Amino acid sequence: DQQVKQNSPSLSVQEGRISILNCDYTNSMFDYFLWYKKYPAEGPTFLISISSIKDKNEDGRFTVFLNKSAKHLSLHIVPSQPGDSAVYFCAASAQRNFGNEKLTFGTGTRLTIIP
Amino acid sequence: DTGVSQDPRHKITKRGQNVTFRCDPISEHNRLYWYRQTLGQGPEFLTYFQNEAQLEKSRLLSDRFSAERPKGSFSTLEIQRTEQGDSAMYLCASSLLGGLNTEAFFGQGTRLTVV
Repeated sequence: DQQVKQNSPSLSVQEGRISILNCDYTNSMFDYFLWYKKYPAEGPTFLISISSIKDKNEDGRFTVFLNKSAKHLSLHIVPSQPGDSAVYFCAASAQRNFGNEKLTFGTGTRLTIIP
Repeated sequence: DTGVSQDPRHKITKRGQNVTFRCDPISEHNRLYWYRQTLGQGPEFLTYFQNEAQLEKSRLLSDRFSAERPKGSFSTLEIQRTEQGDSAMYLCASSLLGGLNTEAFFGQGTRLTVV
């Protein structure tokens, strides 16, 4: 039962253009969403998060959008840089209702930025 | 203290042997999580602690797995009678219980190979 889905295993984007990574979830109890970036042989690094009370959160080149009615979120990176090449994981938790920060992850999207 | 530290980074063991991994969280963090990641998948939740209390265990955590967090500081994850299916990256994360919506910070992981 995949509660968090990232349907694109890979994505290639030209340097300087916008990268858009998508994530869908099925559990309506999820109220906090995070994006993590992962390089090979390293642990995931926190990138940006959004609470279910918001529909947008920005941090520099990174913006996360949340559409609760569609149970969909997306991560926009603009402009894309070669150092952004990594695997990106979408994760969700049910903090507000259960006070539990346990994360449920998607399967990841490998982003490759083409110079 | 610069982050979550895990030891060892790599472990190769023969099937049937016991292994133990250690995690040192960020010093002020009172929540500590263990996750497991296999190839092509996102991290999967195993268990978590709040201070020294183990509050939840996943169904993935069979009887051969045991985790401890004595004194609410570092944690150990032991796998007894290892099987080839235990081969994976074992990730530790920590977070600070306080207000809602707090992100977890991950260590670099321990890569276990069972031969």
